[in-house]
Amino acid sequence: DVKVTQSSRYLVKRTGEKVFLECVQDMDHENMFWYRQDPGLGLRLIYFSYDVKMKEKGDIPEGYSVSREKKERFSLILESASTNQTSMYLCASSWDTRPTFGSGTRLTVV
Amino acid sequence: RKEVEQDPGPFNVPEGATVAFNCTYSNSASQSFFWYRQDCRKEPKLLMSVYSSGNEDGRFTAQLNRASQYISLLIRDSKLSDSATYLCVVNYVGAGGTSYGKLTFGQGTILTVHP
Repeated sequence: DVKVTQSSRYLVKRTGEKVFLECVQDMDHENMFWYRQDPGLGLRLIYFSYDVKMKEKGDIPEGYSVSREKKERFSLILESASTNQTSMYLCASSWDTRPTFGSGTRLTVV
Repeated sequence: RKEVEQDPGPFNVPEGATVAFNCTYSNSASQSFFWYRQDCRKEPKLLMSVYSSGNEDGRFTAQLNRASQYISLLIRDSKLSDSATYLCVVNYVGAGGTSYGKLTFGQGTILTVHP
């Protein structure tokens, strides 16, 4: 079974802090994704990566950046956290079009 | 217009009932289609892919109508454990032709199966 591990289940950060969300997958997948999920808005793609050091903007990249230095790890960075970034963040990986998700990080920015 | 639209429900049905969910998508060039299931406070998990000819997996049947840009999921003989949110997912592979395409998720349809 593919395992996608997100480093934190719950996180509380202050406005203006730099926040790192880490994601690791163990199946040598080339594709990795970061989504956020909000009530009434569903899952929205923030960034994705199809190879090491490669990244593409998703639908809502503003306020976020990503890093993929190794194939198994995809990090989401909030450069200066704001309250409107309070959300559930889901990492996923895939070798085809069907992603497997991590269990999510619920981030609260106060 | 949203790229992928679902009736959010909630659908409340008794055990043993048959229930159907619908989903429409706006991009006629979309190429692959899936249903994901998400339990409360859990991550989405792949339920089944949807093929043009229709496909079945036990009590679950998925249908695709490309002409109407419409996907459906039918659940027969509902169980209490079927209670979840069902997400319609559509993939579009653009001119770049990369394997992952661009997945778009519907907002999900909430199903509650009661005794």
